[in-house]
Amino acid sequence: NAGVTQTPKFRVLKTGQSMTLLCAQDMNHEYMYWYRQDPGMGLRLIHYSVGEGTTAKGEVPDGYNVSRLKKQNFLLGLESAAPSQTSVYFCATTRADRVTGELFFGEGSRLTVL
Amino acid sequence: RKEVEQDPGPFNVPEGATVAFNCTYSNSASQSFFWYRQDCRKEPKLLMSVYSSGNEDGRFTAQLNRASQYISLLIRDSKLSDSATYLCVVRFSGGYNKLIFGAGTRLAVHP
Repeated sequence: NAGVTQTPKFRVLKTGQSMTLLCAQDMNHEYMYWYRQDPGMGLRLIHYSVGEGTTAKGEVPDGYNVSRLKKQNFLLGLESAAPSQTSVYFCATTRADRVTGELFFGEGSRLTVL
Repeated sequence: RKEVEQDPGPFNVPEGATVAFNCTYSNSASQSFFWYRQDCRKEPKLLMSVYSSGNEDGRFTAQLNRASQYISLLIRDSKLSDSATYLCVVRFSGGYNKLIFGAGTRLAVHP
């Protein structure tokens, strides 16, 4: 039982390059989230999804796109990376029928944009 | 002003010490409250929920003061393994389980 798996775990990009982060979960959770974590700041929500085929903007969505074509996968895309997007990205999931404060996180993806 | 504010620390304490962390939140519509723990270069994990009447989980005690919009976490008899960053988290009512994370308080327990 892998839980929540993020790939890749590390990536270095040049400004203007594009990339996709993949989040895969085997917990059958409906809700999925992408956060970024920067020094001195709390986790900030980029985008979220409440079910297959649905996505919505969070607190800091600019420069990112997402897709949830399958319930178990949530993709985060950077179309044209900028140095300000250097961060640690976390995917998280939770059940819809027991909405609580418990999110289950992946191990994180460290992205550096030069 | 940040919605959830914490003292960043670090708190450097010896083993066996008692240490307390505080957290304030700005939105009175906040519905429920939690403490998460995050080890260095790892993902956050739920430590405990915070109930209005206060609650304990072993050496950990969490308290909530809604009037002052204040949450606390007390750790008794600190262990080396308690060294981590502790995140204060506030949940708002809504359709997608909206959580607001504080930036965290770093704890370092030394021998």
